[in-house]
Amino acid sequence: EVQLVESGGGLVQPGGSLRLSCVASGFTFSSHWMSWVRQAPGKGLEWVANIKQDGSEKYYVDSVKGRFTISRDNAKNSLYLQMNSLRGGDTAVYYCARLSRMYAPDYYAIDVWGQGTTVTVSS
Amino acid sequence: DIQMTQSPSSLSASVGDRVTITCRASQSISNYLNWYQQKPGKAPKLLIYAAFSLQSGVPSRFSGSGSGTDFTLTISSLQPEDFATYYCQQSFSIPYTFGQGTNLEIK
Repeated sequence: EVQLVESGGGLVQPGGSLRLSCVASGFTFSSHWMSWVRQAPGKGLEWVANIKQDGSEKYYVDSVKGRFTISRDNAKNSLYLQMNSLRGGDTAVYYCARLSRMYAPDYYAIDVWGQGTTVTVSS
Repeated sequence: DIQMTQSPSSLSASVGDRVTITCRASQSISNYLNWYQQKPGKAPKLLIYAAFSLQSGVPSRFSGSGSGTDFTLTISSLQPEDFATYYCQQSFSIPYTFGQGTNLEIK
């Protein structure tokens, strides 16, 4: 079964740090771009970051640039999101997601999602 | 960044109705457009990719159309399990922005 399982969420004070992890199973992790997507309470979806198969390319939404770092360990089938200088606006459910090329040459979509891990930034 | 605007933001409909949700991009995105369904407390699910291609396992009552800046998701005959929130997303350029969502409720 194809699966993504996130962990690492919790309550953190403003200015603090947190590291999210995601373990993949049931597919060849090293063959896929991976993403983090978040959803603030009662709000819509927001794409956060992408990372290429070998980690050589990384992209971020402007609101997290310089504060968040996406990384991966293909030997451990794992994706990470290091979040520093956290703010109240970062409070959200964070989803780990598999980005797949659905249609040649470059039509990508998120076809597998984790169950999400909740990050709450509050004093 | 490309802005994605969905309409309506909410919609009430009955089982058996035909429903259309619209998504507009702030610039041309060819057909780099995906649709997702999300139920309360659950992760989103991919329905349609590349504007009109049905994801494996998704019922054929779902269909997508459009190109350029204007896109639609149509549900031909609403079923009880279709009441959910629907999001469009562009994959033309990073950041891969989502629409604000359309909440489909039971009338």
